[in-house]
Amino acid sequence: QVQLQESGPGLVKPSETLSLTCTVSGDAINNYYWSWIRQPPGRGLEWIGYVFYSGSAHYNPSLKSRVSISVDTSRSQFSLKLSSVTAADTAVYFCARRPPSGSFDFWGQGTLVTVSS
Amino acid sequence: DIQMTQSPSSLSASVGDRVTITCRASQSMTRYLNWYQQKPGKAPQLLIYLVSTLQSGVPSRFSGSGSGTEFTLTISSLQPEDFATYYCQQSDSTPPTFGPGTKVDI
Repeated sequence: QVQLQESGPGLVKPSETLSLTCTVSGDAINNYYWSWIRQPPGRGLEWIGYVFYSGSAHYNPSLKSRVSISVDTSRSQFSLKLSSVTAADTAVYFCARRPPSGSFDFWGQGTLVTVSS
Repeated sequence: DIQMTQSPSSLSASVGDRVTITCRASQSMTRYLNWYQQKPGKAPQLLIYLVSTLQSGVPSRFSGSGSGTEFTLTISSLQPEDFATYYCQQSDSTPPTFGPGTKVDI
């Protein structure tokens, strides 16, 4: 069974960089695209981007200037960096697997990141 | 971007009811339409992908249909564990986008 687990700071100061890591187990990271999705409190879901094991990444144009997603196949991990954060970036951040159907079939439990001084 | 809308935004139903949720896309799509269920404090769970294919382990009371710009999720007989928020998501073009959600409660 595929399992994903997010890790990283739960509190980030405004203007700083949010950094999260997702650890994948139960499946080789050398398949599929691996994604980050976020959900502000009480609101809907927003796709941030995804990365292939080769390192090729695709980002949401609305965040593209601030986001970077990378992969470390040796550790079965992929990571998110979001720079110049504001309160609007406060959300639960999920990592997820994207199969060829384009859906997101396995998700981490999510981690709440609050942007506040 | 393809914008997704859902109707209704919320509904009240009873155990045993047949429930239908509609998702509309801002432009015609192929078959890359997916549905998720989310319960409070939990990650979304994939129910249906490619319009009508049931994800492994999902009960057969869930079904999906549709084409073009209009798609439907149907729960044939609502069970207590089905009270949740449901989202559609298109993967027809990048960026993938989600509908705003439909909350199903008692």
